[in-house]
Amino acid sequence: ELKVEQNPLFLSMQEGKNYTIYCNYSTTSDRLYWYRQDPGKSLESLFVLLSNGAVKQEGRLMASLDTKARLSTLHITAAVHDLSATYFCAVDDLFQGAQKLVFGQGTRLTINP
Amino acid sequence: GAVVSQHPSWVICKSGTSVKIECRSLDFQATTMFWYRQFPKQSLMLMATSNEGSKATYEQGVEKDKFLINHASLTLSTLTVTSAHPEDSSFYICSAREGSSPLHFGNGTRLTVT
Repeated sequence: ELKVEQNPLFLSMQEGKNYTIYCNYSTTSDRLYWYRQDPGKSLESLFVLLSNGAVKQEGRLMASLDTKARLSTLHITAAVHDLSATYFCAVDDLFQGAQKLVFGQGTRLTINP
Repeated sequence: GAVVSQHPSWVICKSGTSVKIECRSLDFQATTMFWYRQFPKQSLMLMATSNEGSKATYEQGVEKDKFLINHASLTLSTLTVTSAHPEDSSFYICSAREGSSPLHFGNGTRLTVT
């Protein structure tokens, strides 16, 4: 059974600082997603990482994927308050053949002025 | 970009009644739809996977007779919560994909059972 674990689960940081959220998964997969969720809202797609070594950047967020280590990171550069949200990574469960997404627990990010 | 429309956005119902939630893909053929449930401050938990024209596959612990899923066309799936109870109160999110393309999520439905 595929397990996806995020670290940390809660993160409070100051504006202007850098930080990284980690996402580990337990079985082979070449497709990893990062989503943002604001309170009371659905998921907003941030990144789709499709291959080993993939790196994608959008504004102050950068995501990378290491399929050999089964690890993805979401790096936040010079954080601003607007980035406060819950961030989820998710992995396609290819082993089951049904291609269903398995989510991590989520990282609740709070950025303080 | 691909859009998934979910309706209603929120619903309040009395205990014992049934509620239907609709999920539509507006500009692509949703060969597979997924239904998730999210309790406050928790992650999304997959309830079931449905492929157009076939019976839904439910995750372990999800009662198929309570959560009825119909995926009758390539653009519409419905989730009916039957005989709802307060513990069914949650945020329900549908998602859809065409083939193996990335998922697109609906805006979610907040169900409150009184």
